[in-house]
Amino acid sequence: ETGVTQTPRHLVMGMTNKKSLKCEQHLGHNAMYWYKQSAKKPLELMFVYNFKEQTENNSVPSRFSPECPNSSHLFLHLHTLQPEDSALYLCASSQFGNSPLHFGNGTRLTVT
Amino acid sequence: AQSVTQLGSHVSVSEGALVLLRCNYSSSVPPYLFWYVQYPNQGLQLLLKYTTGATLVKGINGFEAEFKKSETSFHLTKPSAHMSDAAEYFCAVSGSNQGGKLIFGQGTELSVKP
Repeated sequence: ETGVTQTPRHLVMGMTNKKSLKCEQHLGHNAMYWYKQSAKKPLELMFVYNFKEQTENNSVPSRFSPECPNSSHLFLHLHTLQPEDSALYLCASSQFGNSPLHFGNGTRLTVT
Repeated sequence: AQSVTQLGSHVSVSEGALVLLRCNYSSSVPPYLFWYVQYPNQGLQLLLKYTTGATLVKGINGFEAEFKKSETSFHLTKPSAHMSDAAEYFCAVSGSNQGGKLIFGQGTELSVKP
């Protein structure tokens, strides 16, 4: 495996469910990110982790809970989501300090 | 504060024609500028970046962009469009020492007609 891998690729969940998105990077990077891509809106930065420490929380609702156990893995735990949370969730990694982001293929989330 | 404006949410060109996708930015610090491409059902792939130095930047797949500070622009061009260039293109800006805190434009969907 190379690059940034996200699982699952698609997820359908009800508003009362609890699920998790997983991201793994094989690039030796020290920073990882969650972005949200909604239709007709710019990509929104959600969270930034640098050396496993959260350095950015862009006013994300608490129903989204990130976890970064090490520099290679990043999770996004989801609970009691709303239909408006349906979007493509993209994980990215980089060497912290303005090196380019490398993106995974995303998880397409649908909240019913 | 930083922001990015991409002029035109949709651009259509004929195969072999010039591709021009416009991007203007606003930044209170010297900007780092990026263009990414997204094909359907995929993540974003870096096309090119400007950090410092030469203002004309060449990227993958024959694309290039020129940083024009006086115009606060970073337009993306390609001399001759291919059908495979059809995708969504995103311009992004960050400042020095801001890590991956990229601010993205709304994207421009490029269509290529045979």
